[in-house]
Amino acid sequence: AQSVTQLGSHVSVSEGALVLLRCNYSSSVPPYLFWYVQYPNQGLQLLLKYTSAATLVKGINGFEAEFKKSETSFHLTKPSAHMSDAAEYFCAVSDRNFGNEKLTFGTGTRLTIIP
Amino acid sequence: EAQVTQNPRYLITVTGKKLTVTCSQNMNHEYMSWYRQDPGLGLRQIYYSMNVEVTDKGDVPEGYKVSRKEKRNFPLILESPSPNQTSLYFCASWRNTEAFFGQGTRLTVV
Repeated sequence: AQSVTQLGSHVSVSEGALVLLRCNYSSSVPPYLFWYVQYPNQGLQLLLKYTSAATLVKGINGFEAEFKKSETSFHLTKPSAHMSDAAEYFCAVSDRNFGNEKLTFGTGTRLTIIP
Repeated sequence: EAQVTQNPRYLITVTGKKLTVTCSQNMNHEYMSWYRQDPGLGLRQIYYSMNVEVTDKGDVPEGYKVSRKEKRNFPLILESPSPNQTSLYFCASWRNTEAFFGQGTRLTVV
């Protein structure tokens, strides 16, 4: 069974500081990995995804994530936080079972930006 | 514009009163699913559908029904809602590995 662990349900960073949101996964097969962002009162928007191409994945809004198989990690980073980055972020894994394109989500990390 | 549309966005209902949350996508996707989001639990899959007339249970199907009579629509039915079904619900449709989510339906059962 696949699973995702997001360390830290709440993360606060100062505007302009590095954003680092942690995600570790467990999967019996090479996974697809995703980061989604949820702004208040909105649905989920895909930030970026890893599907076995380059291990460093660049997404929207200046975010990127690196797939590290040896650490089973897919941490999300952004060099300089902006106030508009305040949102909840979800890491998710798919085990490529094409009978069920199920995403297994982590419990989410709420990012707060301090002015 | 490619989108997944859910209705209603907000709903307050009483225990036992049947309700339906509609979901429609205009991208001709075959695969659709429903999730519920609860604090501290992330999103959990309720039901999914691989195509018209093909549906199956996800991780938390108890108390829910779905139907898929046409490709674009995938309604979620609560025959007898209970307070533990108070949650934020999301419908999604898939293209390859990418999921497109609706805006969500916040359901309160009193």
